Amino acid sequence: ETGVTQTPRHLVMGMTNKKSLKCEQHLGHNAMYWYKQSAKKPLELMFVYSLEERVENNSVPSRFSPECPNSSHLFLHLHTLQPEDSALYLCASSQDIGASYGYTFGSGTRLTVV
Amino acid sequence: DQQVKQNSPSLSVQEGRISILNCDYTNSMFDYFLWYKKYPAEGPTFLISISSIKDKNEDGRFTVFLNKSAKHLSLHIVPSQPGDSAVYFCAARGEAGGTSYGKLTFGQGTILTVHP
Repeated sequence: ETGVTQTPRHLVMGMTNKKSLKCEQHLGHNAMYWYKQSAKKPLELMFVYSLEERVENNSVPSRFSPECPNSSHLFLHLHTLQPEDSALYLCASSQDIGASYGYTFGSGTRLTVV
Repeated sequence: DQQVKQNSPSLSVQEGRISILNCDYTNSMFDYFLWYKKYPAEGPTFLISISSIKDKNEDGRFTVFLNKSAKHLSLHIVPSQPGDSAVYFCAARGEAGGTSYGKLTFGQGTILTVHP
């Protein structure tokens, strides 16, 4: 158990569907992140939350909508996705944004858009 | 513009030998560098880090070297073991005062295979 739990582990959705990815951490961390990992590409930072407030949105299309209701939970709401959005979506947390020892990652959600 | 690059997509090493994973970066505004290890179906896990004010950090079989003038870092694993087979990601943290403070920028990863 990594301390960061992501559900579901796998998700297949059609382009007209609406779904949500969930991330939960009970490490007492104040910062949470969404990353996208596509094949043979670097992990791409999507969103950053610090103390439940969004501090960064890296030019992510509006079909991805994050939500952070409290410091332990982070959601990524998905709607009208494209096949190129198929990827591994990773959630991470850290004590604070500047934590030198890095992040704790979840196991990811493998998303396939058909 | 990819600021952190791992130019070798894969590396194959014999058990007991040294594995050397390389990473180059272009932004001098990074203050910390980290290596993560990722097994299939799991998220990346933190392995070792180094501050930009140091040139070497060692932790057991793992040593990270930093050459700031060349904007290059490397991870050495000695001796390599089959359980080390995984994807290794290099990451760099934006320094305080910058627009990317605290945020990690990752390379694309290197697949290490250690053969028995």
